Amino acid sequence: AQSVTQPDIHITVSEGASLELRCNYSYGATPYLFWYVQSPGQGLQLLLKYFSGDTLVQGIKGFEAEFKRSQSSFNLRKPSVHWSDAAEYFCAVGAGANNLFFGTGTRLTVIP
Amino acid sequence: DAGITQSPRYKITETGRQVTLMCHQTWSHSYMFWYRQDLGHGLRLIYYSAAADITDKGEVPDGYVVSRSKTENFPLTLESATRSQTSVYFCASMAGVADTQYFGPGTRLTVL
Repeated sequence: AQSVTQPDIHITVSEGASLELRCNYSYGATPYLFWYVQSPGQGLQLLLKYFSGDTLVQGIKGFEAEFKRSQSSFNLRKPSVHWSDAAEYFCAVGAGANNLFFGTGTRLTVIP
Repeated sequence: DAGITQSPRYKITETGRQVTLMCHQTWSHSYMFWYRQDLGHGLRLIYYSAAADITDKGEVPDGYVVSRSKTENFPLTLESATRSQTSVYFCASMAGVADTQYFGPGTRLTVL
């Protein structure tokens, strides 16, 4: 069965520090992979996506993610976090964007 | 305004009442989706539509009805609301199967 695990419910980092949010998945084949961000009271915004090709994907707002097939992971990274990055982050996997399974999210707090 | 809108943004209703949540998109996207977001579950797909007059069940369709007579609208109806349907509901749209999903701002529904 398909599943997505985001093992960290809540992460706190200092502004300027690096960030890595973890995402592991279980899927029958190589899925499409997505990271979304949700600010309080808002809908979800796509940060980046992986369909095929280069396993290091660049997204908006300085985020990147690396697909590691051997580890069934798609971790999100940012070298230097800004206070405006505080939000909830969701990893999603699926056979296509019409068949997505979302993780339970990781809430990011940024301290000055 | 261009984009995807949801109405109402907030709704309080009572058990047993019928409620309809509206979703409207201005891009003429083929695909539209309804998700619910609950703590500890992330987003779960309720229904989706690949085109006007074509709808299909998602992960949690029970208690919900959808229709899509026009490409731009995708209403979600709770025919007899239950407390377990208290949630935040997100509508999304997508141009094609390999494209990005764009999310609306959400509707917070409380069933008393």
